[in-house]
Amino acid sequence: EPEVTQTPSHQVTQMGQEVILRCVPISNHLYFYWYRQILGQKVEFLVSFYNNEISEKSEIFDDQFSVERPDGSNFTLKIRSTKLEDSAMYFCASRGRIRGEQPQHFGDGTRLSIL
Amino acid sequence: EDKVVQSPLSLVVHEGDTVTLNCSYEVTNFRSLLWYKQEKKAPTFLFMLTSSGIEKKSGRLSSILDKKELFSILNITATQTGDSAIYLCAVTPGAGGTSYGKLTFGQGTILTVHP
Repeated sequence: EPEVTQTPSHQVTQMGQEVILRCVPISNHLYFYWYRQILGQKVEFLVSFYNNEISEKSEIFDDQFSVERPDGSNFTLKIRSTKLEDSAMYFCASRGRIRGEQPQHFGDGTRLSIL
Repeated sequence: EDKVVQSPLSLVVHEGDTVTLNCSYEVTNFRSLLWYKQEKKAPTFLFMLTSSGIEKKSGRLSSILDKKELFSILNITATQTGDSAIYLCAVTPGAGGTSYGKLTFGQGTILTVHP
């Protein structure tokens, strides 16, 4: 069964450094998402991406965050200057065709640790 | 602001027991409610519910939605130790041209099944 894949599984970075989290969504999916889950807290929406542009973003997704789909397969989340509070599990998700309801499918996540 | 509340927060049962997990929600222009199972990593899709009163079933798991009372339940019969996980409920708001399916999650129910 096709799945969403994320790399790396764990990233340790010094505060202030840039990080790029990578995701390969399911191949025929059209909608792409990033979520994060701080330890012990709810899964929170960050951003959705459709037709090569951001379609919706949360208050968390400030100027330090950006997303890109540089080619036909990868979907990346960049944090320009990391802060301690960016430490979390980051999940990528994708969803299929436009018509009809389709569930989002999640990758295994990248655990980001900021030192 | 969209809101999802799950209860109980945690539940400990023995193999063979039946459990009912609850999810209540407030969302602008409801579109769908989803249940996910989260073990160590990715939330794994279980059910998507869009219509009231129609039970969805998969093996020992079933779920139903009540759009009038704004809640859903997830039932697991004859529980097994492999059912131990966090069960997440999430909602998506209606389309209306402004939403691309972002999920708002509840805090989850931690289910522990003892042998």
